[in-house]
Amino acid sequence: NAGVTQTPKFQVLKTGQSMTLQCAQDMNHNSMYWYRQDPGMGLRLIYYSASEGTTDKGEVPNGYNVSRLNKREFSLRLESAAPSQTSVYFCASTGSKGGEVEAFFGQGTRLTVV
Amino acid sequence: SQQGEEDPQALSIQEGENATMNCSYKTSINNLQWYRQNSGRGLVHLILIRSNEREKHSGRLRVTLDTSKKSSSLLITASRAADTASYFCATPEGGFKTIFGAGTRLFVKA
Repeated sequence: NAGVTQTPKFQVLKTGQSMTLQCAQDMNHNSMYWYRQDPGMGLRLIYYSASEGTTDKGEVPNGYNVSRLNKREFSLRLESAAPSQTSVYFCASTGSKGGEVEAFFGQGTRLTVV
Repeated sequence: SQQGEEDPQALSIQEGENATMNCSYKTSINNLQWYRQNSGRGLVHLILIRSNEREKHSGRLRVTLDTSKKSSSLLITASRAADTASYFCATPEGGFKTIFGAGTRLFVKA
């Protein structure tokens, strides 16, 4: 059971570079999410996808784009990285368990923008 | 703004002691969940309590929910060094989005 898989685990970018964070889940979940976590703060929602073919902005979407490629995959793209985007990024998916929604998380991507 | 806010922000206890963390939230909820995050790792689901439940147990974990005060507490009994982690409460928003608080960092000294 792989669950939620994120790649890469670590990345260093120069200001202005672009990159795509990949996320895949094998639990047949409809909803997927991208969060960022900064030191001393909780997870903040960047974008989410309620179902295949739909994406919506979360709390902090500026500077990011997403693609729900299919039901399994949800990617996060930084078009022009900025130092303020240095953070740990988590992908998550949600599914029902016993009638309630439970979130499953990837291991995170530690991104440094210099 | 954060839906869930944990208190305290950090907690340091001796192994064997109990650890209590609190969470407050703002809007009506169907359920509240607690997650654990070990350093540098993703979050792991611990326990879910429904809005019509007042208390729930899972091993050494005890969660309470007071919907009138919009608050929840997580109690870890007989703590172990391996319980050292950050603990987050999370509440659903808009039907399926999950909003997380800033977390409580628990340090259990051996």
